[in-house]
Amino acid sequence: ETGVTQSPTHLIKTRGQQVTLRCSSQSGHNTVSWYQQALGQGPQFIFQYYREEENGRGNFPPRFSGLQFPNYSSELNVNALELDDSALYLCASSLGGTGNTGELFFGEGSRLTVL
Amino acid sequence: GQSLEQPSEVTAVEGAIVQINCTYQTSGFYGLSWYQQHDGGAPTFLSYNALDGLEETGRFSSFLSRSDSYGYLLLQELQMKDSASYFCAAFLGAGSYQLTFGKGTKLSVIP
Repeated sequence: ETGVTQSPTHLIKTRGQQVTLRCSSQSGHNTVSWYQQALGQGPQFIFQYYREEENGRGNFPPRFSGLQFPNYSSELNVNALELDDSALYLCASSLGGTGNTGELFFGEGSRLTVL
Repeated sequence: GQSLEQPSEVTAVEGAIVQINCTYQTSGFYGLSWYQQHDGGAPTFLSYNALDGLEETGRFSSFLSRSDSYGYLLLQELQMKDSASYFCAAFLGAGSYQLTFGKGTKLSVIP
């Protein structure tokens, strides 16, 4: 158990709809990043938030957006859903700043199916 | 672009040793991490190399050679519970938690 919790665990949407996924980071961690993992693939970096500011973004379109709140929890929003958005969405928390130990703490993920 | 290459599947016998290789081609490379993921589960951290050489953590060891853009994960005394997918992942910069993952190696441990 990493202390990172995500909700919902599973959800089904249709093309064109919007979805919001939520993440509570491990206590004391001020950095949250989101990853998309398609079936049989490695996770792909979507973006990262540090102290409520986006400070890194992967190769994802603007319809993928996010927020980080003062308690460091986070949301991932995806608009205009497409079939290819079907994937496991992983949230990872870490303590930002120096002293990178290479360790991220991942939640169990939210599995999104787009029909 | 950024890419990490690792074998897609490996099979090994319980009690044996297995090595999973990873070659990378990235810009701004800072270090190499390894994660384990069981089916339906979260990736869990195994090991990290920022410097060349071997890091040992119990039954798991990881190696990095920056000059060869190469690393490996070594699993000793394999157990059935080690059957999982293993990912190498590159950190691209100090202070950044952006990881670029390989596609993963599915390890099957057989009796």
